Amino acid sequence: AQTVTQSQPEMSVQEAETVTLSCTYDTSESNYYLFWYKQPPSRQMILVIRQEAYKQQNATENRFSVNFQKAAKSFSLKISDSQLGDTAMYFCAFMKRNNAGNMLTFGGGTRLMVKP
Amino acid sequence: DTAVSQTPKYLVTQMGNDKSIKCEQNLGHDTMYWYKQDSKKFLKIMFSYNNKELIINETVPNRFSPKSPDKAHLNLHINSLELGDSAVYFCASSRGVREQFFGPGTRLTVL
Repeated sequence: AQTVTQSQPEMSVQEAETVTLSCTYDTSESNYYLFWYKQPPSRQMILVIRQEAYKQQNATENRFSVNFQKAAKSFSLKISDSQLGDTAMYFCAFMKRNNAGNMLTFGGGTRLMVKP
Repeated sequence: DTAVSQTPKYLVTQMGNDKSIKCEQNLGHDTMYWYKQDSKKFLKIMFSYNNKELIINETVPNRFSPKSPDKAHLNLHINSLELGDSAVYFCASSRGVREQFFGPGTRLTVL
């Protein structure tokens, strides 16, 4: 079974600064996907970024980028130029690539507060 | 247009009652899911359906019964509700092994 660990329950950052959220996972699989989801106070789950394990290049989406270290089983999220609207819970998630059920295994989440 | 919708968004009921949550997706996806988010925000898969067939049932009590009348709908029926069932229930959908899109969630409160 896969496990996903987010070691930072809460973090804060000043507006316009950069913050990095940590995620580690444990799996024996070689083909898988990793995701970061954002859950603002509205509780809607929003996909932030996705990484395919077979790709060495780190994924980037505008101000969001990841540092994917496959050997270390680490998948951190960097948010640049933080905005007030980035305030949310952030969840790291794992999915086996060949899993017919495609279930996501989530970490416990990191609550991020962006301060003005 | 809403991609994944759930009804109702809020549900307050008494212990022992039976209730249903409906989910619909208009994305043309072939796989749908139910997740439960507990009071500590922990998210866990409950069920996964692919083309109307049950693929995953993650040790969920028999009181929970998903039903998929077609590929666009996945409903969740809960019998004999218990206090511990209070949570936010999310429906999601995907096209095969790709990112999942979530509905707005249904907050269930059992009194």
